[in-house]
Amino acid sequence: EAGVAQSPRYKIIEKRQSVAFWCNPISGHATLYWYQQILGQGPKLLIQFQNNGVVDDSQLPKDRFSAERLKGVDSTLKIQPAKLEDSAVYLCASSRGLAEQETQYFGPGTRLLVL
Amino acid sequence: GDSVTQMEGPVTLSEEAFLTINCTYTATGYPSLFWYVQYPGEGLQLLLKATKADDKGSNKGFEATYRKETTSFHLEKGSVQVSDSAVYFCALISGNTGKLIFGQGTTLQVKP
Repeated sequence: EAGVAQSPRYKIIEKRQSVAFWCNPISGHATLYWYQQILGQGPKLLIQFQNNGVVDDSQLPKDRFSAERLKGVDSTLKIQPAKLEDSAVYLCASSRGLAEQETQYFGPGTRLLVL
Repeated sequence: GDSVTQMEGPVTLSEEAFLTINCTYTATGYPSLFWYVQYPGEGLQLLLKATKADDKGSNKGFEATYRKETTSFHLEKGSVQVSDSAVYFCALISGNTGKLIFGQGTTLQVKP
């Protein structure tokens, strides 16, 4: 079974530029998560989708971050304009459903550096 | 709100030493508890989990017991190997949203 795919793996941009990340979850997984992991910290949830609907985006800085999950499969996360403090690893995860016992499977992440 | 606190790292051990990484949590209700591991250059992987009080999760020689009375989920391994060098994250899910709340991570370095 293929795992969660993410691209690109690395991205370097200048502040005020825009950037987009892509995630393809495990086939059949209804729930998709985007986490932000700043160096030296644990991942923090940005947004969570159930199929193509948003379940939780309370931690998403909506003035600059946006995300979508068209057709309930792939997802993109966009930052526009980027700030220095957005430098982090952006992790995508998926699970079969919302239940607590459902394991979340993580992709390799996209490492973003904002200069 | 819900939170997870892990012991500060890095933890440096010699091969075959005993490992304990402390984890305590604050949550409303009865969360499910997890340990995730991140090997160098790789993504996060689930190591073990426990979904109710007194449950013991185990995998690859690692164990952790869900202690409701002390709100703890300490990770232990009897004999560590160099290949166990990684960053370990304690996490919880509370409620029915599936949202993982992570601790800050503990780096383990095992020397031969």
